[in-house]
Amino acid sequence: SQQGEEDPQALSIQEGENATMNCSYKTSINNLQWYRQNSGRGLVHLILIRSNEREKHSGRLRVTLDTSKKSSSLLITASRAADTASYFCATAVQGYSTLTFGKGTMLLVSP
Amino acid sequence: GAGVSQSPSNKVTEKGKDVELRCDPISGHTALYWYRQSLGQGLEFLIYFQGNSAPDKSGLPSDRFSAERTGGSVSTLTIQRTQQEDSAVYLCASSQAGGIDTQYFGPGTRLTVL
Repeated sequence: SQQGEEDPQALSIQEGENATMNCSYKTSINNLQWYRQNSGRGLVHLILIRSNEREKHSGRLRVTLDTSKKSSSLLITASRAADTASYFCATAVQGYSTLTFGKGTMLLVSP
Repeated sequence: GAGVSQSPSNKVTEKGKDVELRCDPISGHTALYWYRQSLGQGLEFLIYFQGNSAPDKSGLPSDRFSAERTGGSVSTLTIQRTQQEDSAVYLCASSQAGGIDTQYFGPGTRLTVL
């Protein structure tokens, strides 16, 4: 399976701290995407990084991709209570009909 | 523009009854997906529609589950003879081209089978 797996399963930090989540996968990918889910409802797309990219930024988010290690990390800087959510990575493989989602990291940011 | 919408937002049913869940994708998106998410778990892929192609039903857990997509737009997921283990949030997503493309999710339908 080419499923992504997030690490850690849960992360608890204080407001203002940085949060880092990792994702590992098994097969070659076309791109890797990160999504956020609040309160068990719909997922929201955060950022997409292509296999030929190594780093991407979007606001307070920084994503890195290491295809040699088949891993990605999502860094949220200066976290806020509103960042409390589950974060999922999803891998995209050319020729596959859908993305494959990991089980997610639950992030709790305390005021 | 309008995002993906799903209805109902919550559904409580009795074991053995049939339920229908509806998804309205983003206009112009050719791909539509259904997922299931049990409490505290990741997403379980159920079915994928792409244009006029035959749907990819490889994720449907049993023959009690079926889905249709009419006119390349609205989709209905039907669960017959519901069981308690069917209780979950059912998420629909659409994307412009399917495959490796970004997916846009609806708010989900929370199904509770008593």
